Amino acid sequence: QSVLTQPPSASGTPGQRVTISCSGSSSNLGSTYAFWYQQLPGTAPRLLIYTNNQRPSGVPDRFSGSKSGTSASLAISGLRSEDEADYYCAAWDVSLKTWLFGGGTQLTVL
Amino acid sequence: QLQLQGSGPGLVKPSETLSLTCSVSGGSISSGSGYWGWIRQPPGKGLEWIATIHYTGRTFYSPSLRSRATISVDMSKSHFSLELSSATAADTAVYYCTRQDGTDSVNWFGPWGQGAPVIVSS
Repeated sequence: QSVLTQPPSASGTPGQRVTISCSGSSSNLGSTYAFWYQQLPGTAPRLLIYTNNQRPSGVPDRFSGSKSGTSASLAISGLRSEDEADYYCAAWDVSLKTWLFGGGTQLTVL
Repeated sequence: QLQLQGSGPGLVKPSETLSLTCSVSGGSISSGSGYWGWIRQPPGKGLEWIATIHYTGRTFYSPSLRSRATISVDMSKSHFSLELSSATAADTAVYYCTRQDGTDSVNWFGPWGQGAPVIVSS
């Protein structure tokens, strides 16, 4: 059981906007930044969002991140079939002194 | 463009030491934040951070794996390595190496290697 809690699944139709949540605690998301990773089937994860809401070059602006208190969210607008993947949130825990990952959310594009 | 190439034994017997190496090309081992990490993913499961090393030698370990893990860096060969002793079936996973981007105080897992699958079995 992950310390960062994500819904195991999410879905949407092409063009829709979907949101994936990540719930933590005061010692991780409440104290540090949120990061998001996308893992396409059979590939390595890739960085999607860093420091809560920043996109690396090459990541479409359809992807956006936010954080409030001990929770973070990833929003995907204009959903496309190629967005079908597993999404993971991550944060450093200042008490445990460890990197934490959420359990992952499998996104299905219907 | 930075490339990370992880390599490992593929198959390890229980109780033996699992050894992995990540070769860095297209960039210096002192690039990014200077931190390099290992993350693993058991079959069908999520991601687990194992360890991080700074190119100067400073190390950080997951509390759950600290007693068995050793991370090291060889700047002359532009690679960093991970050893995990007393392997069990629970260590069966794909092992990813990453460069941590950002600064010394705030960094994150940036580029990832393609992953090195390891099976622990007799």
